[in-house]
Amino acid sequence: GAGVSQSPSNKVTEKGKDVELRCDPISGHTALYWYRQSLGQGLEFLIYFQGNSAPDKSGLPSDRFSAERTGGSVSTLTIQRTQQEDSAVYLCASSLVPSQGWTEAFFGQGTRLTVV
Amino acid sequence: KQEVTQIPAALSVPEGENLVLNCSFTDSAIYNLQWFRQDPGKGLTSLLLIQSSQREQTSGRLNASLDKSSGRSTLYIAASQPGDSATYLCAVGVKAAGNKLTFGGGTRVLVKP
Repeated sequence: GAGVSQSPSNKVTEKGKDVELRCDPISGHTALYWYRQSLGQGLEFLIYFQGNSAPDKSGLPSDRFSAERTGGSVSTLTIQRTQQEDSAVYLCASSLVPSQGWTEAFFGQGTRLTVV
Repeated sequence: KQEVTQIPAALSVPEGENLVLNCSFTDSAIYNLQWFRQDPGKGLTSLLLIQSSQREQTSGRLNASLDKSSGRSTLYIAASQPGDSATYLCAVGVKAAGNKLTFGGGTRVLVKP
């Protein structure tokens, strides 16, 4: 597609339920990132994919968070047993990685998650 | 650990004035630096990317400089317009970390007509 696409744009869930957030990166972008933006914390890194591999998962806040990427394209971020502190905007970004290294990151519109 | 700071946190100027937004980072071993714009309730729009070997980048009314040794970048927006009102974020990437970005807290800009 023309840009990074995220779905759903908004999600309200009850505490304790599982949620899945989807990211469809720009075609051909092998690098994919998940970030979280919350009022008190600003923008924080969650996980980085290069192709289908995740060499850096250091930002995932707990083992309730997991992510996968298939076919070097679509990625899904899953949050199990959601808690109220998981409420935030989850942003996905992708980047082209030519031989000389990473180019600029392009972001999706985000998924606003509200846990009630 | 890389820390990125943006000062001021908020800025209000009359239309037509030039804007100067500052970004500082603690670790000069960066791969690149990117400036973004974020409108309320929206995602991030990339404005400019500066590679670590570059000193500045320009796009239209926007100019960003980079002084890696002192850990600073400045975004200049010439002849501001009300449509420039938004939050501006800078972010630095580290090659060893897959160019994951560390963000500053942003500068919220209001351009008054």
